[in-house]
Amino acid sequence: AQSVTQLDSHVSVSEGTPVLLRCNYSSSYSPSLFWYVQHPNKGLQLLLKYTSAATLVKGINGFEAEFKKSETSFHLTKPSAHMSDAAEYFCVVSDNAGNMLTFGGGTRLMVKP
Amino acid sequence: DTGVSQNPRHKITKRGQNVTFRCDPISEHNRLYWYRQTLGQGPEFLTYFQNEAQLEKSRLLSDRFSAERPKGSFSTLEIQRTEQGDSAMYLCASSRDRGLSQPQHFGDGTRLSIL
Repeated sequence: AQSVTQLDSHVSVSEGTPVLLRCNYSSSYSPSLFWYVQHPNKGLQLLLKYTSAATLVKGINGFEAEFKKSETSFHLTKPSAHMSDAAEYFCVVSDNAGNMLTFGGGTRLMVKP
Repeated sequence: DTGVSQNPRHKITKRGQNVTFRCDPISEHNRLYWYRQTLGQGPEFLTYFQNEAQLEKSRLLSDRFSAERPKGSFSTLEIQRTEQGDSAMYLCASSRDRGLSQPQHFGDGTRLSIL
């Protein structure tokens, strides 16, 4: 079985400052990990994915994440926040067959002007 | 890609009524998934289809829930005798064939409100 813990339910940053959203995972096999973003009343959009290739993964809109097996972490970062980044972010682990996604509880990112 | 399409976007109904939602996946995707998202939580897996075959169902999918995917194209999710606890966003996703590198693409969801 797999699980995901997002360490912060809310993160607030000022526009132009770095973003760090933290995620720890638990998996009995080599996991596939994803970050999705959800804007209000919308579906989920894939930001990036890790599938056992490079440990530093670059995604859309300037986001990236680093897979650290020793720490079982997959934190999401962005060098400079933009107002349009305000949304809910979900860290996700896939089952061994790539079928069932297990979501973390989400982190709401707020960006102050 | 035209994207995953879900209808209706919103459904309000009285407790005890039946409701049906539709999902049209991205055309070349043969895998289709249903998730449920309650307020303030992450989505939870309900079930998935490989073409027309329903291959896995979560224990969250009680006997009041039924999902179909006739002809391996669109899918419907029906909830019979709705209860207050069924109020949630129901999300549909699709992907290409199995493989950990094939991400799931989500629709905008159907928000169900039970009065």
